[in-house]
Amino acid sequence: QKEVEQNSGPLSVPEGAIASLNCTYSDRGSQSFFWYRQYSGKSPELIMFIYSNGDKEDGRFTAQLNKASQYVSLLIRDSQPSDSATYLCAVSAGGTASKLTFGTGTRLQVTL
Amino acid sequence: NAGVTQTPKFRILKIGQSMTLQCAQDMNHNYMYWYRQDPGMGLKLIYYSVGAGITDKGEVPNGYNVSRSTTEDFPLRLELAAPSQTSVYFCASSLAGTETGNTIYFGEGSWLTVV
Repeated sequence: QKEVEQNSGPLSVPEGAIASLNCTYSDRGSQSFFWYRQYSGKSPELIMFIYSNGDKEDGRFTAQLNKASQYVSLLIRDSQPSDSATYLCAVSAGGTASKLTFGTGTRLQVTL
Repeated sequence: NAGVTQTPKFRILKIGQSMTLQCAQDMNHNYMYWYRQDPGMGLKLIYYSVGAGITDKGEVPNGYNVSRSTTEDFPLRLELAAPSQTSVYFCASSLAGTETGNTIYFGEGSWLTVV
């Protein structure tokens, strides 16, 4: 059973702080890693994807991947109340017709 | 700019009834997916399709059926509805497989309650 683990939270950070969201995965063959944001009652929307070890930055968001440790994280700098949502980590194994396996998500609360 | 369209948005079913959730995408994507999301949980893959005429089971296919007669449409059929099928259902599509980082685009979801 391929698993993706996330702390369910809630993770509470003050406005302007850095939020750090973590995800571990069990399948060493995983090749692509995605972070989705999901507001309550809405569908997931892609924030970032990463497939190489190291960091990938996009605006206030940085994804970090460490394949040796089977660990992927998302950093949100200068957190805003609008960042309050559930963040889903998703992992794609290698091979054709691969699908995403999702974690259960971490709920982030940005407080004023 | 429709993207992925799902209908209906809300539905209440009685135990034993059947229904079809409709899904259509206008992005000419090859891959389409059906996920379900139970409260406080992640998304579980029910069925997926890599092209017209081709479907395959995901993690939780029991109690469901799909067809893919066209590139655009991917309906999900619930046979003999059970309370365990109460969930939010998301249809999604992508240009190709996610192993190359292809983005999955989600529909707005269908809230189904079985009583």
